[in-house]
Amino acid sequence: ETGVTQTPRHLVMGMTNKKSLKCEQHLGHNAMYWYKQSAKKPLELMFVYNFKEQTENNSVPSRFSPECPNSSHLFLHLHTLQPEDSALYLCASSQDLQAQEYFGPGTRLTVL
Amino acid sequence: EDQVTQSPEALRLQEGESSSLNCSYTVSGLRGLFWYRQDPGKGPEFLFTLYSAGEEKEKERLKATLTKKESFLHITAPKPEDSATYLCAVQAIGGSNYKLTFGKGTLLTVNP
Repeated sequence: ETGVTQTPRHLVMGMTNKKSLKCEQHLGHNAMYWYKQSAKKPLELMFVYNFKEQTENNSVPSRFSPECPNSSHLFLHLHTLQPEDSALYLCASSQDLQAQEYFGPGTRLTVL
Repeated sequence: EDQVTQSPEALRLQEGESSSLNCSYTVSGLRGLFWYRQDPGKGPEFLFTLYSAGEEKEKERLKATLTKKESFLHITAPKPEDSATYLCAVQAIGGSNYKLTFGKGTLLTVNP
């Protein structure tokens, strides 16, 4: 595997479910990010981790819970989501916080 | 607050018909301007970073330029495989100076 991978690629869940998104980067980068991409809207930064430490929580509702066990892996735990949370969730990584970001393919999330 | 406006929202070109995409930005101090390409169902793919007014970068049929208020992505003799959404983002100096502020993108369609 190369670059940034995300699993699952597609996820359908009910509002009472709990699920997790996984991201893995094989680039040796130190920073990792979660973004939300909704139709007709710009990418929205959700969380930033640098050397496993969270440096940014962009006013994200608590029903989204990130976890970064090491510099290569990033998770987004989901619970009690709303239909408006349906979107493409993108993971990205960069060598450091100021370098260009490399994105994964995304997880298409649908909340019923 | 940093702002990025991309125009047009959508652009249709015939193969070989050159054109330009615009990215206007407002930022307290620009550290870098980034261009990404995004294909349907995929994550954004990094194209260029520009740091100072007057800077230009080229890659195949694409050339990015930067002024103090805007950036242009020039596409010369486009081919159908250039069809994608092109995203522009700015990174500011100071504060949370690693955060990227994205525009909504320009959807480019190149017809054969």
